[in-house]
Amino acid sequence: DARVTQTPRHKVTEMGQEVTMRCQPILGHNTVFWYRQTMMQGLELLAYFRNRAPLDDSGMPKDRFSAEMPDATLATLKIQPSEPRDSAVYFCASGNLQWGAGGYTFGSGTRLTVV
Amino acid sequence: QQPVQSPQAVILREGEDAVINCSSSKALYSVHWYRQKHGEAPVFLMILLKGGEQKGHDKISASFNEKKQQSSLYLTASQLSYSGTYFCGTEPGNQFYFGTGTSLTVIP
Repeated sequence: DARVTQTPRHKVTEMGQEVTMRCQPILGHNTVFWYRQTMMQGLELLAYFRNRAPLDDSGMPKDRFSAEMPDATLATLKIQPSEPRDSAVYFCASGNLQWGAGGYTFGSGTRLTVV
Repeated sequence: QQPVQSPQAVILREGEDAVINCSSSKALYSVHWYRQKHGEAPVFLMILLKGGEQKGHDKISASFNEKKQQSSLYLTASQLSYSGTYFCGTEPGNQFYFGTGTSLTVIP
């Protein structure tokens, strides 16, 4: 089965360090988004791409977060500088809006701990 | 914009049925349903696109009302494997929003 690959699976970093998370969407999917999940806030949309163009990043703290899709096989989410409150599980998902019948496939997530 | 789900949590015994509702104050373009088990990623269950649509597989089905403001997920004869958090989702153009979530626990 095709799957969305996220790396790393786990990351522990010190406050102030840069963190980069990567996502390889399923080939042929034209929509990719990043979500953050915490116990307190639940699921929060961070960024939404279609055909590699960023369409919405209103949920993302712009001063420290950035999301890009340098090509169709890679999406990145960067945090610089990281803070303890960024500790969460970050999910990437991909799908194809035009196909209609299918939903989104999620990666296994990156569990980030900022100490 | 976030759809509201009810109930927030439900505990069932194996074999019992459950209904999870997803409501919005505005018409939804579509409704997705996902299940997330503890420590895992959400997994897609089904999508409904049209008002009045009903869809299902095995013992899990869903409906989308005519006004497209409410969807319900039906779990029949629940199994232990049904435990998890269920999210509806909607995609109003350039975003994707999850609902508030419903925690479902099936006990023997």
